[in-house]
Amino acid sequence: KAGVTQTPRYLIKTRGQQVTLSCSPISGHRSVSWYQQTPGQGLQFLFEYFSETQRNKGNFPGRFSGRQFSNSRSEMNVSTLELGDSALYLCASSVREMNTEAFFGQGTRLTVV
Amino acid sequence: GQNIDQPTEMTATEGAIVQINCTYQTSGFNGLFWYQQHAGEAPTFLSYNVLDGLEEKGRFSSFLSRSKGYSYLLLKELQMKDSASYLCAVGDYKLSFGAGTTVTVRA
Repeated sequence: KAGVTQTPRYLIKTRGQQVTLSCSPISGHRSVSWYQQTPGQGLQFLFEYFSETQRNKGNFPGRFSGRQFSNSRSEMNVSTLELGDSALYLCASSVREMNTEAFFGQGTRLTVV
Repeated sequence: GQNIDQPTEMTATEGAIVQINCTYQTSGFNGLFWYQQHAGEAPTFLSYNVLDGLEEKGRFSSFLSRSKGYSYLLLKELQMKDSASYLCAVGDYKLSFGAGTTVTVRA
């Protein structure tokens, strides 16, 4: 059974650019959540999608957005990148809402220069 | 709001037992999770407790007391590969993570 797949694994962008990250959940999982991990702040919740609907959102600015497709794959977008957006972005999938037994992908390491 | 506390670091000897405590005060609760994260890698799911008591999975066990807002992860027969960060997380509509406990296993 394939795990959660995130692409790309590594990304370097310059300030002001925008970026799109992709997450394919485990087959049969309908909930996808996104997290940002930095050394200073740890793991912070960005948003959760279930059945193509954003169900919950964390305390991040509007530059961070996402969507989920009918096959449960999800993308997140960050516009007008700032140096502070450099982080490991993790996607987690679970069968149902509310993050029961959530499984993480390998993450996308974003570096903003 | 969420407040999740766990020790920053622990060191133990190969073959020994280590217990990582986690206390939490959260506005919502639908389960307590433990994840293992090796440096530079994604968190790996270890355990999920939703009811009080002990859950055992091989060398790893996790305990939960909802009335006390307390959980622990017990690692037995420590191996060098167990050196990692262990994250306690409380689930409601999202996972709220503690800062993680870095466990170093020494020969």
